[in-house]
Amino acid sequence: GDSVTQMEGPVTLSEEAFLTINCTYTATGYPSLFWYVQYPGEGLQLLLKATKADDKGSNKGFEATYRKETTSFHLEKGSVQVSDSAVYFCALSDDNDMRFGAGTRLTVKP
Amino acid sequence: EAGVAQSPRYKIIEKRQSVAFWCNPISGHATLYWYQQILGQGPKLLIQFQNNGVVDDSQLPKDRFSAERLKGVDSTLKIQPAKLEDSAVYLCASSLDPLTGAEAFFGQGTRLTVV
Repeated sequence: GDSVTQMEGPVTLSEEAFLTINCTYTATGYPSLFWYVQYPGEGLQLLLKATKADDKGSNKGFEATYRKETTSFHLEKGSVQVSDSAVYFCALSDDNDMRFGAGTRLTVKP
Repeated sequence: EAGVAQSPRYKIIEKRQSVAFWCNPISGHATLYWYQQILGQGPKLLIQFQNNGVVDDSQLPKDRFSAERLKGVDSTLKIQPAKLEDSAVYLCASSLDPLTGAEAFFGQGTRLTVV
C-alpha cells in the first residue's frame, strides 16, 4: 500500500539556520503531497501542498518540490525562526486515502 | 468559515468501558476521516467516509471500533470495550474532494486516556 517515510527527528537548529526535512513516498498512482504542521498545543494544519510532479508548494518561507523521479517531497526553509518549532508531518493523498509520516520534531533555539 | 468540530476534547475511562467521539465536518465536505494519533507518532487512518459510505476501513480494529456517518454529515466513532493501548488522540478531518488534491482540515482532536 501507499506509504510515507520521513526523516527521523528530533531536529535542533539555531535561529537563521537552513532546514531540510526529508520525505519520500511510495504510491501506485499519482498522489497529491502535503506538509502539515502541529504547533505546541494546537491541531494539525496544512503548511503547503503540491498536486502534480514538479509542482512547488510554498508558504511562510517553507518550500517543497514534488519530485516524481526520486519519489520525494523534501521540506526546506532558508532561515528558521524560534516560532517554527513544531512537529512537521509529510502526507500523501490518492484515490483511496490520506496517509501520514511519523512526524519530525523541530526545535529552533535563539 | 467554521472548522471541524469535535467533542469531547478530553476523556478518561477505565479499560473495558465504552466511549464515543463526535465529529461535525466543515459544511459541504463530502470526505470525512478518523485518525488515531498515539503520542510521538503520525496520524494513523482508521476510517474514511465519502458522504455516508465507507471508502477505507482497512486499519480499523473492527472487533472493538465502529464508526458511522448517518446522513453523510456528522460522524461518531465508538470504542467498545476500550483497551489501555487505545490511549491516543482521535482526530477527525474533512475534505472537499481528495481526488482533486484538496487538503484535509483537522479538528482539535479528542484525547482519550484509558486507565
